[in-house]
Amino acid sequence: KNQVEQSPQSLIILEGKNCTLQCNYTVSPFSNLRWYKQDTGRGPVSLTIMTFSENTKSNGRYTATLDADTKQSSLHITASQLSDSASYICVAYYGGGADGLTFGKGTHLIIQP
Amino acid sequence: GAGVSQTPSNKVTEKGKYVELRCDPISGHTALYWYRQSLGQGPEFLIYFQGTGAADDSGLPNDRFFAVRPEGSVSTLKIQRTERGDSAVYLCASSPTGGGGIQYFGAGTRLSVL
Repeated sequence: KNQVEQSPQSLIILEGKNCTLQCNYTVSPFSNLRWYKQDTGRGPVSLTIMTFSENTKSNGRYTATLDADTKQSSLHITASQLSDSASYICVAYYGGGADGLTFGKGTHLIIQP
Repeated sequence: GAGVSQTPSNKVTEKGKYVELRCDPISGHTALYWYRQSLGQGPEFLIYFQGTGAADDSGLPNDRFFAVRPEGSVSTLKIQRTERGDSAVYLCASSPTGGGGIQYFGAGTRLSVL
């Protein structure tokens, strides 16, 4: 069964600090992996998309890594800002049509001043 | 508009009633998706349109749920005989290509069934 597990479920850090969110996926065959940011009351917004041949991809202060061998991905946030407070959702795609997109439950990140 | 638009933003209804939720995708996007998201959970796939046809409706939970996209643009998700368990945020996303392409999400419709 295709699954995406994220950790931690929630995280609180101080403004200016760095943090790393984890994603483990069991999706076969693997096509690509995405990270989305979802602000409260809003729809998810794409941060990065990586195929199996990509190890890292950055989007401003967000850097995603992918290890296709261990089926793990991480999202690193540098110098966090209050606006980074949101849920971060990891999504794995196996190329099997629309339901080939397997969503994780997300990590709820709170940045405190 | 520039993004995916969903209306209404909030809908409160009584158990047993019929509701319609509307999605206006980004102009030119051929693929359209409906998801349901419960509190603390990731989006759960419901149905996927490529053009006017439902390419994949395997996520619809039962026959009370139905969606249409008659002209390949606007889509309506219809729920008959609503139940309290249908309460959730219903998200719509569109994509220029579908499949593994980037999805652009709307803000969702929060449905509350009393």
